[in-house]
Amino acid sequence: QKEVEQDPGPLSVPEGAIVSLNCTYSNSAFQYFMWYRQYSRKGPELLMYTYSSGNKEDGRFTAQVDKSSKYISLFIRDSQPSDSATYLCAMSLIKAAGNKLTFGGGTRVLVKP
Amino acid sequence: DARVTQTPRHKVTEMGQEVTMRCQPILGHNTVFWYRQTMMQGLELLAYFRNRAPLDDSGMPKDRFSAEMPDATLATLKIQPSEPRDSAVYFCASGLGLAGTDTQYFGPGTRLTVL
Repeated sequence: QKEVEQDPGPLSVPEGAIVSLNCTYSNSAFQYFMWYRQYSRKGPELLMYTYSSGNKEDGRFTAQVDKSSKYISLFIRDSQPSDSATYLCAMSLIKAAGNKLTFGGGTRVLVKP
Repeated sequence: DARVTQTPRHKVTEMGQEVTMRCQPILGHNTVFWYRQTMMQGLELLAYFRNRAPLDDSGMPKDRFSAEMPDATLATLKIQPSEPRDSAVYFCASGLGLAGTDTQYFGPGTRLTVL
């Protein structure tokens, strides 16, 4: 069993809908939680990160972390066709420096016009 | 616009051949990561460096893979001999190596096919 589990999708939604993505993890020592977006044939790029539990909002994106349930979520409001991509969650342990990430397998999202 | 560069972008080779992939991290970044991405396994960390010293290469098959940083502007990943199961996209990423969370900036990847 992988340390970080993520439904591969694909998740298909109409334009304007809310996209809901999530990951579960097994290592309770993870402290930092990130979401990366990866367009086809490109490298991943950081969307958002949160530390420990709680919510964080950035424009149309909201990230939630529930450490008690070992569950993180990403919501995309008013989804656009340009949001069509693979979304990967990533996590890291608290540490002095450097940043070894453990990634989920990614969820492919398709926003239809 | 600072970015991580990787060469070659595509590589097709035959089983048993040596493959060398190169990465130029963003200037000023002191942490470099090598990842491999496949449909089955997703994105896996192979090795990473800080200030050119290897910190962790536990994700790398050591009998055939080697990673080095000859200088601060170049990281290399070599596979010798290559096997069909090595077919994947190999990403390099760099970061500032800050405490806590630190953005990793990914390159465009090298798509490797081993026949």
